[in-house]
Amino acid sequence: GQNIDQPTEMTATEGAIVQINCTYQTSGFNGLFWYQQHAGEAPTFLSYNVLDGLEEKGRFSSFLSRSKGYSYLLLKELQMKDSASYLCAVTGDSNYQLIWGAGTKLIIKP
Amino acid sequence: ETGVTQTPRHLVMGMTNKKSLKCEQHLGHNAMYWYKQSAKKPLELMFVYSLEERVENNSVPSRFSPECPNSSHLFLHLHTLQPEDSALYLCASSPRTAVNTEAFFGQGTRLTVV
Repeated sequence: GQNIDQPTEMTATEGAIVQINCTYQTSGFNGLFWYQQHAGEAPTFLSYNVLDGLEEKGRFSSFLSRSKGYSYLLLKELQMKDSASYLCAVTGDSNYQLIWGAGTKLIIKP
Repeated sequence: ETGVTQTPRHLVMGMTNKKSLKCEQHLGHNAMYWYKQSAKKPLELMFVYSLEERVENNSVPSRFSPECPNSSHLFLHLHTLQPEDSALYLCASSPRTAVNTEAFFGQGTRLTVV
C-alpha cells in the first residue's frame, strides 16, 4: 500500500530547533512536498524535494533520502508564529493525486 | 491573500438542505481542485479540473457535485449531506495538473452538517 507517517504533535521552545520527520511508502516517487497550515488558514507551500540531500530556505530546511523513504523539515530559531501544522505529501504513481500525511501540529512555547 | 478565495468561510446546513461552495482563483492557473480535510486525517482529493474539464473523480458520493464554468471558478454543490461530511473543504489551484506542481490553497469552508 501507499502511506505516509508523521508525528501527530510536537512541542518546542521559542528560539530552539525542531525536526519534523516524515516517512513514506509509495509505488512510484517523483518528489516530496512540505506545506505549512496555520489553524483556520490555507496550507502554504514550504518546499519540494526531488533529489537526496538538504535544501535550505532561510530558517527552514528540508531533507530527503529516497532510498530510506524519509524526509524531515528542520525549523531553526523558532518563533511563536511557527506554531502550525506541517503537512508532508508525496507524489505516487498517479498523475494528479498526492499522498498526504495527516500533518504534525507544532506547538511553540515561550 | 493567497490568490484563491473561498466562500462562505463557515456553513451550517441540515441534512435536507442544498447549498453550494464557491472558489475563485486570481492566479491564471489552469487546474483547480477540491479537497476534504477532516481532523487528524490526511487531505482527501475529491475532484480535479483541468481547463474546465474534470480529469479526476475519486469515488466521491453523488451528494457532492462539482461545477467548473471557467478556469477561474469552481463550485461544489451539496445535497442531502450526512453528519460525517462535516469537515473543512479546501479549494486549490495550480498552473497545471502535473502532480509535482505547487498548489495554492484557499482558506477553506468549514462545513457542519446537523
